[in-house]
Amino acid sequence: AQSVTQLGSHVSVSEGALVLLRCNYSSSVPPYLFWYVQYPNQGLQLLLKYTTGATLVKGINGFEAEFKKSETSFHLTKPSAHMSDAAEYFCAVRGGYNKLIFGAGTRLAVHP
Amino acid sequence: DVKVTQSSRYLVKRTGEKVFLECVQDMDHENMFWYRQDPGLGLRLIYFSYDVKMKEKGDIPEGYSVSREKKERFSLILESASTNQTSMYLCASSLFVARLAGGSHEQYFGPGTRLTVT
Repeated sequence: AQSVTQLGSHVSVSEGALVLLRCNYSSSVPPYLFWYVQYPNQGLQLLLKYTTGATLVKGINGFEAEFKKSETSFHLTKPSAHMSDAAEYFCAVRGGYNKLIFGAGTRLAVHP
Repeated sequence: DVKVTQSSRYLVKRTGEKVFLECVQDMDHENMFWYRQDPGLGLRLIYFSYDVKMKEKGDIPEGYSVSREKKERFSLILESASTNQTSMYLCASSLFVARLAGGSHEQYFGPGTRLTVT
């Protein structure tokens, strides 16, 4: 069975600081992994995805994530936080047939 | 761009009412999904459909039903709304991926419907 654990339901960083949002997964099949972002009162928007190939994946808005099979991790990073990055972030893994399994989410706050 | 629209952004209903939430996608996707989102619980799958008139239960189908009469439209029905169904409801769509084929399973989401049952 597939599952996702996001460590830290709330993360707070200063503007300009490194953003690190943690995601660990469990999967019985080769994992496809996703990060989505949700701004207040909006739906989810895809930030980036890993399917096969290069393990360092670049996404929109300066975010990137690295797939580490040995650690079963897919952490999301951004070198320098911006106020506009404040949102909720969801990690997801390919679930059963054509489905995604989502983590509980991490709310990122960025303060001046 | 893929567009997924939901009929209402905000909805207030009374306990016991029958509630319809509508979702339409314009990218000819085979798969459509209904999730509910609650703080600390992430997204939980209610129902999904991989073809017209086909539906499968997700993780929390109790108290809900769905209808898919046309490929682009997927409706969520609360037969008799209860206060514990107050939540954010998100619709999503994706391309169908054959079991042994590649494909990213990427889902595209609508803006959500915030339902309050009083």
